[in-house]
Amino acid sequence: AAGVIQSPRHLIKEKRETATLKCYPIPRHDTVYWYQQGPGQDPQFLISFYEKMQSDKGSIPDRFSAQQFSDYHSELNMSSLELGDSALYFCASSASVLGSAEQYFGPGTRLTVT
Amino acid sequence: KQEVTQIPAALSVPEGENLVLNCSFTDSAIYNLQWFRQDPGKGLTSLLLIQSSQREQTSGRLNASLDKSSGRSTLYIAASQPGDSATYLCAVRDPPRNNRLAFGKGNQVVVIP
Repeated sequence: AAGVIQSPRHLIKEKRETATLKCYPIPRHDTVYWYQQGPGQDPQFLISFYEKMQSDKGSIPDRFSAQQFSDYHSELNMSSLELGDSALYFCASSASVLGSAEQYFGPGTRLTVT
Repeated sequence: KQEVTQIPAALSVPEGENLVLNCSFTDSAIYNLQWFRQDPGKGLTSLLLIQSSQREQTSGRLNASLDKSSGRSTLYIAASQPGDSATYLCAVRDPPRNNRLAFGKGNQVVVIP
């Protein structure tokens, strides 16, 4: 079965650079979520989209922005990178924005800021 | 704010023993609860999803129970194997913040051959 695809899988950037993470949801899934997991931490919700509109916003820094496109893929744009942005970034998708819908997670993008 | 706690934070068991992992949450008005497995530096693999109307879910050697009124869930892994060594994360989804999962910090499990 098709799963959530994230690219790139690994990314190394220097401080103050920008990064773009991409997420391709499971086919026919219309809702996408982004989470950040720092070293030794639990995943923290960043932002979500339903039908190309932002549906919820969590602890996402102002330096980050995201959007969902007409084909439902999503991109997380990160600017002015800081050392503390080094983390595993997960994208998840679900077939519905309803609270009962299961979220399916991608393999993550490991971002290292040096 | 929903707070999810997992106890114990870490445990080691000999191969063959049953594993019991506990998860508690402060706001009982949840939509559902998911248990995930995470290997070091890897992604999240969904193990079981329990809707708020359900009391348990089973998949192979895994069984998860949910007591929504008391804010608790338990994951049982029968006859543990070394391959079960991983971190197990509990996450809940609740109405005030229905687009997000609130995660616990995980139970780090080591199964000793």
